[in-house]
Amino acid sequence: GEDVEQSLFLSVREGDSSVINCTYTDSSSTYLYWYKQEPGAGLQLLTYIFSNMDMKQDQRLTVLLNKKDKHLSLRIADTQTGDSAIYFCAESIGRDDKIIFGKGTRLHILP
Amino acid sequence: DAMVIQNPRYQVTQFGKPVTLSCSQTLNHNVMYWYQQKSSQAPKLLFHYYDKDFNNEADTPDNFQSRRPNTSFCFLDIRSPGLGDAAMYLCATSRVAGSKETQYFGPGTRLLVL
Repeated sequence: GEDVEQSLFLSVREGDSSVINCTYTDSSSTYLYWYKQEPGAGLQLLTYIFSNMDMKQDQRLTVLLNKKDKHLSLRIADTQTGDSAIYFCAESIGRDDKIIFGKGTRLHILP
Repeated sequence: DAMVIQNPRYQVTQFGKPVTLSCSQTLNHNVMYWYQQKSSQAPKLLFHYYDKDFNNEADTPDNFQSRRPNTSFCFLDIRSPGLGDAAMYLCATSRVAGSKETQYFGPGTRLLVL
């Protein structure tokens, strides 16, 4: 089946690291993604990882992929107020590379 | 600078009254997508166009139709909106289909059904 699960809320103090976790069910996913949605805006692709990689780092963002456990995480170092948003985990599946999204994790930054 | 434009940003319609949402893109991308996103839910793909080739998701209700008169524009028609169709509707584009291709999203149109 197609399912992407992530927790709905996360609160982090400004300056700390945020870790957003996600699990997925389709072991044939080729790419896994993290999208960011700010209030009133569309989804913005933050980063993605190919399924044969374990880790990808891009400035403050680190993506870890555990393919055995079908677990994906996004770590945001030195979390800032501008990081406040909803973060969607997503996987591409099937012959058509359809993207399946999770419900999103709302990241709240505490002062 | 806006690459994927959706109009209007907010749309109010009455129960059963047809409504059309529009999307345009300046990227000259081949693929355009329509997603439905209900509150606290994941965006759900309704259909997509690869050029003029229309691809409907199996569980998209017949109430939802789409038109793509040219590369730049794509419309979502809801023939008889019900209260359950109130949602954010997101348009996205990609250069070609495939998981390596980034999908670029518009800001969405929030539909309210009275």
